[in-house]
Amino acid sequence: EAGVAQSPRYKIIEKRQSVAFWCNPISGHATLYWYQQILGQGPKLLIQFQNNGVVDDSQLPKDRFSAERLKGVDSTLKIQPAKLEDSAVYLCASSAEGGGRAWEQFFGPGTRLTVL
Amino acid sequence: AQSVAQPEDQVNVAEGNPLTVKCTYSVSGNPYLFWYVQYPNRGLQFLLKYITGDNLVKGSYGFEAEFNKSQTSFHLKKPSALVSDSALYFCGGSGGGNKLTFGTGTQLKVEL
Repeated sequence: EAGVAQSPRYKIIEKRQSVAFWCNPISGHATLYWYQQILGQGPKLLIQFQNNGVVDDSQLPKDRFSAERLKGVDSTLKIQPAKLEDSAVYLCASSAEGGGRAWEQFFGPGTRLTVL
Repeated sequence: AQSVAQPEDQVNVAEGNPLTVKCTYSVSGNPYLFWYVQYPNRGLQFLLKYITGDNLVKGSYGFEAEFNKSQTSFHLKKPSALVSDSALYFCGGSGGGNKLTFGTGTQLKVEL
């Protein structure tokens, strides 16, 4: 099966600029996650979607971050305006509802964001 | 609030020796526990999970993990380490399959 796709792989921007990341989950996976992984730390969940509805966005800095999952498939994560502390790898993951591989999250390669 | 701790930033082991990467958890309800591995410039790859059942869970690449409820631990193990096992390992946990919380990661270095 094709894996989780993310683009771009790398992005360098100036602070106060905006940036958007795209994710295409594994076909048929209802749940989609965005994580932020700062160097030296574990991934931190930013937002979780179930189909096109938000399940958890308690750790999303809503004053600057936004995410959507139109039609319950692809998703975009946006930062506007970016701050220096947003420099991190942004990981997208997806998971299936049930069966033997329930709750197993499949991760994309990530987008490495550098804010100067 | 749930938390996952990986007390060792780095573990060094000689090839052919057994390895253990430690993880302890604190979650509400039934623990759902996971191990993932991350190679440089790659996303996380699933190794194994504990949801219910046998306390010893077998996963990919010869790895296994032992769930210990009394010690709230879920240590990752492998009987014989390979140089190719060198990578960053993350333990993750959630209560009842909800939001997954990751530990800070343990860098495993296997030397010849």
